[in-house]
Amino acid sequence: QVQLQESGPGLVKPSETLSLTCAVSGYSISIGYYWGWIRQPPGKGLEWIGSIYHNGRTYYNTSLKSQVTISLDTSKNQFSLKLSSVTAADTAVYYCARRSSAFDIWGQGTMVTVSS
Amino acid sequence: DIQMTQSPSTLSASVGERVTITCRASQSISAWLAWYQQKPGKAPKLLIYKASTLVSGVPSRFSGSGSGTEFTLTISSLQPDDFATYYCQHYNSYPYTFGQGTKLEI
Repeated sequence: QVQLQESGPGLVKPSETLSLTCAVSGYSISIGYYWGWIRQPPGKGLEWIGSIYHNGRTYYNTSLKSQVTISLDTSKNQFSLKLSSVTAADTAVYYCARRSSAFDIWGQGTMVTVSS
Repeated sequence: DIQMTQSPSTLSASVGERVTITCRASQSISAWLAWYQQKPGKAPKLLIYKASTLVSGVPSRFSGSGSGTEFTLTISSLQPDDFATYYCQHYNSYPYTFGQGTKLEI
């Protein structure tokens, strides 16, 4: 049974870099699938941030492209999100997910607040 | 970027009713559309992919249809557990985008 679990700081200061990790269990991320990050500001809808293929190729949301880096760590079976120069508008629940037939498996989400 | 527009934004219905949610894409996405259900404080749950394929374990009262730019999610007979927010999402090309959501309330 494949499971995903996000981890990282719950509070980030404005202008700093938000860093999150998604640990994957039950499947080796180096074998296949796309792995992605999606966020949801409080009370709002879902926004796709970006995805990474098992070979390391990345795809980013046009509006966030200059801020976002997604990477794989196959030795730890996890993938990561870095979002630079954050503002209050980046406050959201951040989800990691596997994309096979759409996003079929999700982590539980982690709340990140941007505030000084 | 492809824009996804859902309607209505809010839908009030009763147990046993049949309801339909519409999702329109700003350009053709073939059948590369998914529907998710989200309950408060929980991650979204995939219900339907490729416009009409039901995920294993999802009740058969849920169905999806459409292709190109217009899609629908239908719940044939609402159950208490179905009151939630529903999102469509295209995965035809990058960047992926979601609809703004439809809140289904009693």
